[in-house]
Amino acid sequence: GAVVSQHPSRVICKSGTSVKIECRSLDFQATTMFWYRQFPKQSLMLMATSNEGSKATYEQGVEKDKFLINHASLTLSTLTVTSAHPEDSSFYICSARDGWAGNGYTFGSGTRLTVV
Amino acid sequence: TQLLEQSPQFLSIQEGENLTVYCNSSSVFSSLQWYRQEPGEGPVLLVTVVTGGEVKKLKRLTFQFGDARKDSSLHITAAQPGDTGLYLCVGGVGDYKLSFGAGTTVTVRA
Repeated sequence: GAVVSQHPSRVICKSGTSVKIECRSLDFQATTMFWYRQFPKQSLMLMATSNEGSKATYEQGVEKDKFLINHASLTLSTLTVTSAHPEDSSFYICSARDGWAGNGYTFGSGTRLTVV
Repeated sequence: TQLLEQSPQFLSIQEGENLTVYCNSSSVFSSLQWYRQEPGEGPVLLVTVVTGGEVKKLKRLTFQFGDARKDSSLHITAAQPGDTGLYLCVGGVGDYKLSFGAGTTVTVRA
C-alpha cells in the first residue's frame, strides 16, 4: 500500500531556532499533501494544504510566515517552523492520498516537536 | 470545514466487551474513512465507505455508512487490549476536502 515517510520523528530545539520537517510519498506521486497539528488525545487539526508547484493554502488562524510550507516535487513537502517557541511544541503529522478518495489518506508517522 | 461529531470522546471497557463509536453530521459526505492511531504514531486507515447503507467488516470490526451518507458507526465485537487507541472518523467532500471527527480514545482493559 501507499507509504508516507515523515522525518524526523522527534526533534528538540531551542527557542528562536527553526525546524524543518519532511514528508515524502514513497511509492506514489502526491500533488497535494496536508499538514496537521495534534494535541494529546485530540483529533488532528488541519494547518495547511500543500500544493506541488504553487503556494500552500493555510487554514484560518495559522500563521503563514511561521509555518513555511514548500512542495517542490511530487513526492516531497516540507514544513518549517520558524523562530520556534515553546507553545509550538506539538505533534505534527502530514498526509497524502494515492489516487481516488476511496483509497483513503495515508499519514506519516508524525513528528514530536519540543521547543525548550 | 464541515462539522463531524464523533462520540463518545472516551471509552474504557473490559476485554471481551463490545463497543460502538459514532460519527454524525448534518452534511453529506462522498466518502468516510475510519482510522486508528496509537500514541506517537500517525493514523492508520482501517476502512473507507462510500455507498449509503454500506456495511464493511474487518475481522471483529464492523463499519456502517448511513443511508444518507451523513453518519457512520464503528462497532467492535469482543474487544481486545490490542484494540486500544484513538479512533478517528474522517469525512470526505469531493476530492480533497476533509472533515475530522474529534476522536474517540478507546481503552480495553485486560
